[in-house]
Amino acid sequence: EVQLVESGGGLVQPGTSLRLSCVASGFTFDDFAMHWVRQAPGKGLEWVSGLNWNSGGIGYAASVKGRFTISRDNTKNSLFLQMNSLRPEDTALYYCAKAARYYAGVVGDSWGQGTLVTVSS
Amino acid sequence: IVLTQSPATLSLSPGERATLSCRASQSVGGSLAWYQQKPGQAPRLLIYEASNRATGIPARFSGSGSGTDFTLTISSLEPEDFAVYYCQQRRGWPSALTFGGGTKVEIK
Repeated sequence: EVQLVESGGGLVQPGTSLRLSCVASGFTFDDFAMHWVRQAPGKGLEWVSGLNWNSGGIGYAASVKGRFTISRDNTKNSLFLQMNSLRPEDTALYYCAKAARYYAGVVGDSWGQGTLVTVSS
Repeated sequence: IVLTQSPATLSLSPGERATLSCRASQSVGGSLAWYQQKPGQAPRLLIYEASNRATGIPARFSGSGSGTDFTLTISSLEPEDFAVYYCQQRRGWPSALTFGGGTKVEIK
């Protein structure tokens, strides 16, 4: 069974940093692209960032480009999101998602339960 | 690429047919997926590449379309189908991916 467990969320002040982690199990992690997707309270889904199995292809939403950095450690079945210069509008539930096989840009055939990030003074 | 979903809300009764639309601001070919999200839950992949059902998805869910216009059809609504549905394009990955704003299917 695929499991994705996010951690690292919390309440932080504007301008500060936070690092999210996602630990994967139940599948061959280094066979799949992975993504971060967020959902602000009461709002829709927003793709944040994703990367291919070998980190050879990486993409970011315009709203986070230059502030967030995605990475992965295939030896530890882990995905990360380094978030710098956080803004109140980054407040959201952040999901880790496993891409579909053969379609790296199909964001999630499996999802975690999310970790909540709140940016407020 | 901007994805526009319509209608924003669809009020239907169990057993009725639901037709949801997703329009792209430019062609995405067949690179479109659909997701279902229920309150308090993570999204679930329903359809990928416009018309392919994901593993375990019932046959009452079907997707069609190409280019800029796509449709998700639920042939006969079951009580568990009342939820929010999102489309997502993957054209040009790894450049920016996008979701539509969602369509809420509610019980009439």
